[in-house]
Amino acid sequence: GQQLNQSPQSMFIQEGEDVSMNCTSSSIFNTWLWYKQDPGEGPVLLIALYKAGELTSNGRLTAQFGITRKDSFLNISASIPSDVGIYFCAGHSFGSSNYKLTFGKGTLLTVNP
Amino acid sequence: SAVISQKPSRDICQRGTSLTIQCQVDSQVTMMFWYRQQPGQSLTLIATANQGSEATYESGFVIDKFPISRPNLTFSTLTVSNMSPEDSSIYLCSVEGDRRKAFFGQGTRLTVV
Repeated sequence: GQQLNQSPQSMFIQEGEDVSMNCTSSSIFNTWLWYKQDPGEGPVLLIALYKAGELTSNGRLTAQFGITRKDSFLNISASIPSDVGIYFCAGHSFGSSNYKLTFGKGTLLTVNP
Repeated sequence: SAVISQKPSRDICQRGTSLTIQCQVDSQVTMMFWYRQQPGQSLTLIATANQGSEATYESGFVIDKFPISRPNLTFSTLTVSNMSPEDSSIYLCSVEGDRRKAFFGQGTRLTVV
């Protein structure tokens, strides 16, 4: 099956720092989705990407759909304590049923105030 | 985005018993999805539930263990049967919105003792 490699697994940063995390796949994806999950909650959609090279922002968050269609990154600028949580990438690959999402293993972000 | 409500939000169950999780959506949707998230892990798709037909299960998941109902376009249930401690996980209901975005309920945190 499809696999997504998400890195880093965890990050410990100081408030105000910028953060970057990325996902790579073994095959071409036609959709990339980035989620945040707080403890005890379900994942919440942050950004959706649909074509190679697309760069989309949502407040302090910016995500890009890689040119090769096999990767995506998420940046968080000027981090604040409420950015703490687990960030997941997910995507639909070409050739798969549209509804079937593959998830990365997540990046645990800790922000020290 | 759809509003998805899950019940219960958490439960502690004895091994050998069964638990039924409910998922209610505030709009009609064709497909609903059930995921499992084991402790510290990513999301794994259990099955896809279409109204009026049997659920489609992913590899490693079977109907006898995880029976699913989909009586109408806004509701679904997932039963975790004959539970063991290995079933302790977060179970998440999901629907697909516009442009292949997936939205999640808050999850049901299950602990089997």
